[in-house]
This record gives sequence, structure tokens and C-alpha cells, in this order.
Amino acid sequence: ILNVEQSPQSLHVQEGDSTNFTCSFPSSNFYALHWYRWETAKSPEALFVMTLNGDEKKKGRISATLNTKEGYSYLYIKGSQPEDSATYLCAFRTNAGKSTFGDGTTLTVKP
Amino acid sequence: NAGVTQTPKFQVLKTGQSMTLQCAQDMNHNSMYWYRQDPGMGLRLIYYSASEGTTDKGEVPNGYNVSRLNKREFSLRLESAAPSQTSVYFCASSEWVGGAANEKLFFGSGTQLSVL
Repeated sequence: ILNVEQSPQSLHVQEGDSTNFTCSFPSSNFYALHWYRWETAKSPEALFVMTLNGDEKKKGRISATLNTKEGYSYLYIKGSQPEDSATYLCAFRTNAGKSTFGDGTTLTVKP
Repeated sequence: NAGVTQTPKFQVLKTGQSMTLQCAQDMNHNSMYWYRQDPGMGLRLIYYSASEGTTDKGEVPNGYNVSRLNKREFSLRLESAAPSQTSVYFCASSEWVGGAANEKLFFGSGTQLSVL
């Protein structure tokens, strides 16, 4: 069983704050690292798929970086808004075809 | 634009009963997955099917069986339900046309299962 860890487990910020969270994964057999956004009562939706060491992805106010050699990825949210409140999941994919998910970071943005 | 469709959305079973969760995708994806999600935990892979005709165990396969009926459909069966199988179940599909950078999971809306 692969160990994929996310921290912190939960985060409460004020509207307008910038925030970041971490996903740690094994540094061997790396194939891809996925970030998903999961809003309450909905299904997870893909944010980013990252495959190369040093990758940086950006979508609006959300960005992510990847370090495959040391086994971590950061997700950043700039100027958090209440609609950013969700659980953010990372998933480590090996070349065997399986994706192992972390337990997620639950973000609450207070107006 | 259905995507991934799961049925039923809710189910209550008694210990020992059996049931099948149905999943279908209309995106012509090769790979399909079943996950379970428990409070405070992420998604754990039960079984997956990399392509039609193949199935493989994930992290938590005990107590479950799967069938990849055709390219569209991937069902999950609980032969003798136990309270430990109370969970939310998600079906997902993916396709990596163009390589790993384009592959992402598309999820169904989930099945809330309670085993009493």
C-alpha cells in the first residue's frame, strides 16, 4: 500500500487570504500526480494532472508545483474566496495504472 | 452529457444481503474504477479495470467482486454485506489518450450504502 499524505487535514482562512497545502508521495515509480477538488454533495473534479519534475500548473487563482525527486506537491490558492471551500485531494499514480489518494485537505473560507 | 452514471444513489441493506452497484460511462474510456470513501479518509480503491475484459484488485478488495460487462459498464457486487461495508461508493473512469498528462478521473455521483 502506497503512502500518500496530505497536510494539513483541515484549514480555516478568511476571505482574501492566500493559502497552501502539501501532498507527499513515494519518490519511486512515479507516473503522475493528480489534484482534485471535491465540493460537499458533489463528485471530485480534476484540477491538475502533473507528470514532470518541476511542473507548475495554474488555473485562475489556483496553482500547483511538483517535486518528484523529493516526493511532494504544493497546491496554492491566492486570495481565497468562499466558493473555494472544498476538500482538495491529491492522487499518486504509478505506471501500474492505480491511483492512490491522500485523505484530503478540507478548506473553509469565511466571508 | 451524462458522463459517469451510478445507480442506486442510496441503499440500505441488512447484514448478509447481497446487492450490485451499477456504473456506466458514455465517454468511451478504457479504464474504470470503484472507490469507497469513509469519514475522515480519502478515496480507497476497491477494484479497477484497465480495459474491457480485465479486472484487478485495489487496496481494499475483500468482500467485493466486480464485472466489466463491456466497455461502458463496470459493476460492483457485495455478496454478503457487512456493517464494515457501510460507506459511500464512487465509480470513476479515465482515458489517457495522448499520454499521462491528459489522464484524469471522471467520477459518478456516488452511492450511499448503509449495512445494518
